Amino acid sequence: EVQLLESGGGLVQPGGSLRLSCAASEFTFSIYAMNWVRQAPGKGLEWVSAISGSGGTTYYADSVKGRFTISRDNSKNTLYLQMNSLRAEDTAVYYCAKLNWNLRSFHYWGQGTLVTVSS
Amino acid sequence: QSALTQPASVSGSPGQSITISCTGTSSDVGGYNYVSWYQQHAGKAPKLMIHEVSNRPSGVSNRFSGSKSGNTASLTISGLQAEDEADYYCSSYTSSSTWVFGGGTKLTVL
Repeated sequence: EVQLLESGGGLVQPGGSLRLSCAASEFTFSIYAMNWVRQAPGKGLEWVSAISGSGGTTYYADSVKGRFTISRDNSKNTLYLQMNSLRAEDTAVYYCAKLNWNLRSFHYWGQGTLVTVSS
Repeated sequence: QSALTQPASVSGSPGQSITISCTGTSSDVGGYNYVSWYQQHAGKAPKLMIHEVSNRPSGVSNRFSGSKSGNTASLTISGLQAEDEADYYCSSYTSSSTWVFGGGTKLTVL
């Protein structure tokens, strides 16, 4: 069974930084594109970022472009999201999700990690 | 990257059928057969229910079906059951090589 376990969430002040991690297991991590999707409290899902299996191609939502950086370490089966210049509106549960590229859909999701941006 | 448009809420009685619409543009829903639907129970992670407009992953009940016409996709749940009560989100791949979600629809089983 595919396992995705996010960590690194917490309370951070506006303008601060945080790095999220997503540890993957039970599948060949390096051949799958991975994504981050977030959900603000009481709100809907918002796609944040995607990275190819090799890590050579990345995509970002306009709302985070220039502030967030997605990366991966295939030797550690781990996905990352470096978040800088955080704003109150970045407060959300952040999910990592395994993408089936051929189907352009997110077939497996982690349980999420909460990021709260507040002074 | 405007969110896809879904009704905020729908409801139905056990055994009935309901349909949730998802309207986008020719740059997303209308341009690709890459519409997916996700079910999210309160406090849980989303679960994929439909991919590529109308295909069910293994293990998903055949009471769930999807379709698309032009820029609008639809999710139909037949034979409503209490366990279907959840939030439902559509998603589409876009011409910008990104993804966009709908605002979500809360399904209440009366």
